[in-house]
Formats: sequence, structure tokens, C-alpha cells
Amino acid sequence: DGGITQSPKYLFRKEGQNVTLSCEQNLNHDAMYWYRQDPGQGLRLIYYSQIVNDFQKGDIAEGYSVSREKKESFPLTVTSAQKNPTAFYLCASSPPGGRGRNEQFFGPGTRLTVL
Amino acid sequence: KQEVTQIPAALSVPEGENLVLNCSFTDSAIYNLQWFRQDPGKGLTSLLLIQSSQREQTSGRLNASLDKSSGRSTLYIAASQPGDSATYLCAVSQGADKLIFGTGTRLQVFP
Repeated sequence: DGGITQSPKYLFRKEGQNVTLSCEQNLNHDAMYWYRQDPGQGLRLIYYSQIVNDFQKGDIAEGYSVSREKKESFPLTVTSAQKNPTAFYLCASSPPGGRGRNEQFFGPGTRLTVL
Repeated sequence: KQEVTQIPAALSVPEGENLVLNCSFTDSAIYNLQWFRQDPGKGLTSLLLIQSSQREQTSGRLNASLDKSSGRSTLYIAASQPGDSATYLCAVSQGADKLIFGTGTRLQVFP
């Protein structure tokens, strides 16, 4: 089955710890994205990547880091520098070509809670 | 700066009603507009994508229209069912790389 998988579904972190959220897609999509969703707010873009070994900051990149070593994978690390990391994190991907004109497809999300 | 607004924030209707959800955006220079559905605790499911050159798209009981000049889109749901209960999000693509989302309309359809 083609799709986007995220793991884990739930993640608990102690203050001061770094955690890494996984995002994998087998859709052969070039572009991948990470969004954060907070109650009562729309999704906000953290980082995005158009091609392997390249990525750009989104609107709220502070306290986060990413890598894009493989086309299929775009992991997100939430560092201890992120002041308020408790949120629902969503990964998305988009087909190649037609930059900005293509549909984005989303994974099931990871809910991160800081204890 | 692009801002996307969805009205109403919440809607509760009896089964069978036809519904209109509204989305407005402040900057008409968009590439496309997407409507999504989100069930509680789940990811987003893409419903319809309207390119900036298009006026509407249809999928089953759903019809989305786009009026770029006035900065508005509507999602029309015909003959609503309890299974349509979810949060509906609209998002605009501006520039090559990101979607800008509204805060959503939470819909409840009761039997």
C-alpha cells in the first residue's frame, strides 16, 4: 500500500530531552513537509524539503531540526531548545513537478507530550 | 501576510441537510486551494484541490468553489450524513512550498 507513515503515534518526553519523530513515504514524492498543530490554531509549517540533502526553514523552525538523507524519509528532531513542544505533529508529501501547484498528502500524525 | 479564515468555527445540523462551509483569504495571489477533512486525533485527508485557474471541483457529494478575486472559497456538502462529522480545513498554496491553513470548521451531523 502506498502512503505516508509516522511513528510513534504517541510520544512522551521529559523536559531537556531531544526526541526524533519518524516520517516515511513510499509514494515517490520529492517534497516533504513537517507541520505542527495546536488546539484552536491552524497547522503551521516547521520545515520542508524539495529534494534529497536539501531543506528549508518554515515559519516556526526554532527548536527543531531535520535531515533528508533519503527520498523516502524526513525525520524531525524536537530539541530541548523548543520552548513549548507539546503538540500534534503532521508530516506531508507532494508529488514531483509543478512546485506549489500539487496536492499535499498527510500522514496520521504523532502526538508529543512533554512531562 | 496571507491570512486564512473559516466561518463558522462550529456547526451542528440534522442529517440530510445541505451545508456550506466558508473559507476566506486575504491575498489573492495563490497557486491553489485545498480542502481537507480531519477526524479527532487523526491526520488530514485531502478532499478537493482547486487550482487558481479553476472555479470549482466536485467529488461525490462535495463541491468546492473558488473566487480568487474576492478571496473566497466554499465547500458545499449535499445531503449530510453522521459520517460527515469531522473538522474541515481549508489551505492555500502561496509560493512554491507551503500551505497556509485556516483554523477549521468543526461539523457535527446528528441522526
